[in-house]
Amino acid sequence: DQQVKQNSPSLSVQEGRISILNCDYTNSMFDYFLWYKKYPAEGPTFLISISSIKDKNEDGRFTVFLNKSAKHLSLHIVPSQPGDSAVYFCAASYRYGQNFVFGPGTRLSVLP
Amino acid sequence: DTEVTQTPKHLVMGMTNKKSLKCEQHMGHRAMYWYKQKAKKPPELMFVYSYEKLSINESVPSRFSPECPNSSLLNLHLHALQPEDSALYLCASSQVTSGTGEQYFGPGTRLTVT
Repeated sequence: DQQVKQNSPSLSVQEGRISILNCDYTNSMFDYFLWYKKYPAEGPTFLISISSIKDKNEDGRFTVFLNKSAKHLSLHIVPSQPGDSAVYFCAASYRYGQNFVFGPGTRLSVLP
Repeated sequence: DTEVTQTPKHLVMGMTNKKSLKCEQHMGHRAMYWYKQKAKKPPELMFVYSYEKLSINESVPSRFSPECPNSSLLNLHLHALQPEDSALYLCASSQVTSGTGEQYFGPGTRLTVT
């Protein structure tokens, strides 16, 4: 049973527009969430994180929103760039925990 | 230096072979991780070392044997593997108690068991 779900295996967006990647989780004990980006033949790269005491965290073009009651988080990328084309993984854990559970990933393609 | 290095990049081994995967980081991180990733699947946690001691073993078969000889190095010893063990093996490191939780990943070792 998947504890972290990313229901869209792929997403295509035009350059300059907003990309929205979604993630749902089932374990209400999770209180720390991260997004990773992965290019082919490379390991995942940390993008942005959010803890359950916040509902929004921004870092440049990347914003993560957390809706704890819905057990849902989303990653917004504005504006999207072709270099953002990659697989994006959502991961969840208990704060200070080390057992990160990854979602299955969403492949984002940003079209020029 | 925010790099985690892994060697070898690719490894092909038979089911009777013994081989080792190596991982190194020089960021002063005291937590190191092994993950297994199958094609089109997310990384799955295998082992966690904190302060060079094994803190988490996610019920991994004994044919995988981790070792952390010092704070910068992490090995994964492989013996009598099965073809279904073929996967990308990722190493990662992080601060143990920073609270940010972010892990730095290496590029992985692509393992094929024949």
